[in-house]
Parts: sequence; C-alpha cells; structure tokens
Amino acid sequence: QVQLQESGPGLVKPSETLSLTCTVSGGSISSYYWNWIRQSPGKGLEWIGNIYYSGSTNYSPSLKSRVTISLDTSKNQFSLKLSSVTAADTAVYYCARGLHSSSWYLVGYWGQGTQVTVSS
Amino acid sequence: DIQMTQSPSSLSASVGDRLTITCRASQSISTYLNWYQQKPGKAPNLLIYAASSLQSGVPSRFSGSGSGTDFTLTISSLQPEDFATYYCQQSYSTPPTFGQGTNLEIK
Repeated sequence: QVQLQESGPGLVKPSETLSLTCTVSGGSISSYYWNWIRQSPGKGLEWIGNIYYSGSTNYSPSLKSRVTISLDTSKNQFSLKLSSVTAADTAVYYCARGLHSSSWYLVGYWGQGTQVTVSS
Repeated sequence: DIQMTQSPSSLSASVGDRLTITCRASQSISTYLNWYQQKPGKAPNLLIYAASSLQSGVPSRFSGSGSGTDFTLTISSLQPEDFATYYCQQSYSTPPTFGQGTNLEIK
C-alpha cells in the first residue's frame, strides 16, 4: 500500500517561498500523477497542481505564476515551491497520488497533511 | 473554473437513517465526479469515483449516482463511523474543484 508523507517548515514569513517535500513509500514514484492540494477554513479544499512521472506538470491557473512542482525519482520524492506567500496561503498542505496511472485529477491516496502558517 | 455546490451544508441524522447528499456542477462534467469523506484532523478518503464506482474497501452502504450536472451520494444505513464531512470533486477539467462540504452530525 503506497504511503505519502509531507515534510517542511511549519512557519514561513510573508513574501518568502514555501517549500514542501512529499516522500513516497510502498511503491515507486514512476507512473501516476502526483498532486499537491491544500485546505484552509476560508477556501476549503484547493488543488494546487500535479506532476506526472515523466516530469510534465499541471498547475491551477490562480496559482500558476507562483508554483513549481518537481520530482526526484532517485529519492522517490516530489516537491512543492510556492513563492511570494501571504497570510492567504496559510493552510494544511496535502500531497496525494492519482488513483490510477491515468488519473489526472482523481486522487486516491493522500498524505496526512502538514500545517503551514504564513506569519512574521 | 467549474463551481461545485453541495446541499445541504450540514445535516443531523441518526444511526440507521438513510440519507442523500446532493452535488451540482456549474456545467456538465459527464460522470467525472468523485466523493470523499473527511474526519477531523485526517486527510480526505476516497469513497466513490466516476459518479458511481465504489472505491476498494469502502462499505457497500455508500453509493453514488448522477451525470451531467447533478449528482447524489447516498448512505443506506448510517453507522457511527459515518459521521464526518463529505466533499464532492469534479475531475473533468483544470483545475479540479471541490464542493464546500457537507458536515454530517449525530442527531
């Protein structure tokens, strides 16, 4: 059974870059779409973007200018960078995997989530 | 973006009740509709995908139906572990979007 675990700073200063890593265990990162999704009381569940094992990416249009998702197959990890953060980026951030290898946006497996707070 | 609207936003029910949650899309999404259950402090858990396919390991008391813009999630006989928040999600177009959630509470 695949397992995902987010890691990274829980506190980020305004205007800085949020960086998170998701470590995948119990399966290879090859194949599947790998997603980042966040959840805040104000905006609910919000899809940020994903990356295919080939390296191709899809981003939410509303965040595209600030988001980079990358893959490190040697470490079985993928990462999120979100630049120029504000308080509105405070949320629980989840990494997640597509249910099937062809699932662009159908998410079948989630990490436990990590709280990120943007504050000085 | 496609807007997903769930009703009701909250609901009180008793163990053994049958209940239905509705999700409406702002445009047709065929059957690219998924349902998730979320308990406090936990990640969402996939229940139903492609409108009516039951995810492996999910009890058969959960079922989904619909196509186009209108969808329903039905729980045939509520169990104590079913009290949670339920979200619909469209996976038809970029960006995939979620409903605002339906909070199911014990009456």
